[in-house]
Amino acid sequence: DARVTQTPRHKVTEMGQEVTMRCQPILGHNTVFWYRQTMMQGLELLAYFRNRAPLDDSGMPKDRFSAEMPDATLATLKIQPSEPRDSAVYFCASGLRTGTPDTQYFGPGTRLTVL
Amino acid sequence: AQKVTQAQTEISVVEKEDVTLDCVYETRDTTYYLFWYKQPPSGELVFLIRRNSFDEQNEISGRYSWNFQKSTSSFNFTITASQVVDSAVYFCALSEADTNAGKSTFGDGTTLTVKP
Repeated sequence: DARVTQTPRHKVTEMGQEVTMRCQPILGHNTVFWYRQTMMQGLELLAYFRNRAPLDDSGMPKDRFSAEMPDATLATLKIQPSEPRDSAVYFCASGLRTGTPDTQYFGPGTRLTVL
Repeated sequence: AQKVTQAQTEISVVEKEDVTLDCVYETRDTTYYLFWYKQPPSGELVFLIRRNSFDEQNEISGRYSWNFQKSTSSFNFTITASQVVDSAVYFCALSEADTNAGKSTFGDGTTLTVKP
């Protein structure tokens, strides 16, 4: 049963520290999405990639957030420096785009707490 | 711009009751895709269904059914004979059909509580 995996599942850090979240998409999927979920804002799309190329990162605060796909099996989301308002659950999702919008399969999320 | 509205923030029912979760969408695209996802207390989002704009046939899967009506821009989700395990947050989402796009716009979710 193929699944999206995310590490770490939980992260507590202090303000100003760097945070790196990792995602392993389902093998063969060519699209990766990063979402942030908070009670106030709901699900927000931060960035997404197709075939490892960034297609849209307009949802991401550019000064502190960065997203990359070093290879087809790894996507990373980095926050530097982290702030308390970054506390949220960060989801990665992957899909297979073959000409029609892909169904997105979500990972379990990384719960980030910035003190 | 796309928009998905789930007007029901919270719904509470007693086990075995039927419940319908509403989803209304806005889009200028003639071709688009609609989704429902379930987020149980464990937190992971689970895909339930995908429907394209050209297929208005209703769909039934066990106790779940979906009613898609383009005339009212709605894609409602009904759970028949609800069970406690159906308690979750349910999200409706809309995706563009443009092959260079693919972003999904999510509604704010409806929290369903099924009481024994």
